[in-house]
Amino acid sequence: GAVVSQHPSWVICKSGTSVKIECRSLDFQATTMFWYRQFPKQSLMLMATSNEGSKATYEQGVEKDKFLINHASLTLSTLTVTSAHPEDSSFYICSARDRRELTNEQFFGPGTRLTVL
Amino acid sequence: AQTVTQSQPEMSVQEAETVTLSCTYDTSESNYYLFWYKQPPSRQMILVIRQEAYKQQNATENRFSVNFQKAAKSFSLKISDSQLGDTAMYFCAFISYSGAGSYQLTFGKGTKLSVIP
Repeated sequence: GAVVSQHPSWVICKSGTSVKIECRSLDFQATTMFWYRQFPKQSLMLMATSNEGSKATYEQGVEKDKFLINHASLTLSTLTVTSAHPEDSSFYICSARDRRELTNEQFFGPGTRLTVL
Repeated sequence: AQTVTQSQPEMSVQEAETVTLSCTYDTSESNYYLFWYKQPPSRQMILVIRQEAYKQQNATENRFSVNFQKAAKSFSLKISDSQLGDTAMYFCAFISYSGAGSYQLTFGKGTKLSVIP
């Protein structure tokens, strides 16, 4: 089946530093990847849509200069949280859409827990 | 804009019994897909079942089935013979075309299901 990995699964960083999260589709090519943020006991909130070879599309209220997204290949997208602050602490989930999949199903990574001290 | 409403924040069911989770949605589109995702304590999003709007027949996957009422914009999930491993957050989701070749998932707020031994 379609597998999406995320790395790291858990990261702790100091306030003011930057953190990079990788999202990889392991056995399929993903023209589109999505980045979500999830607070405890809440639903997933879409942050941005990333298309291979083009700039990401950010949702309203998401700072593009703070959350840098790069989708340089058909199997890798990265999210960099720049100058992280404690309020950026959250669970970040990526998903990927298989370019061959007609139902537009998204396959989810296992998530990354970010804690900013 | 599409909206997805899950009116039951929490539910519980005895092991081996049947439970139904509710979901309603609002859209002006005629062609779309609906999904139920499960998020266990590991927080990995797992697809439970999907339904194409153009199909009148309700989707089924083993113990999981849906009651899709297109006119009423209702998409409920029935879990039969509940098992302890079914304990999780369940999210109803709707996929729509957002332009420029992108398809975005809109999630409901989720229903926390507890299966009681």
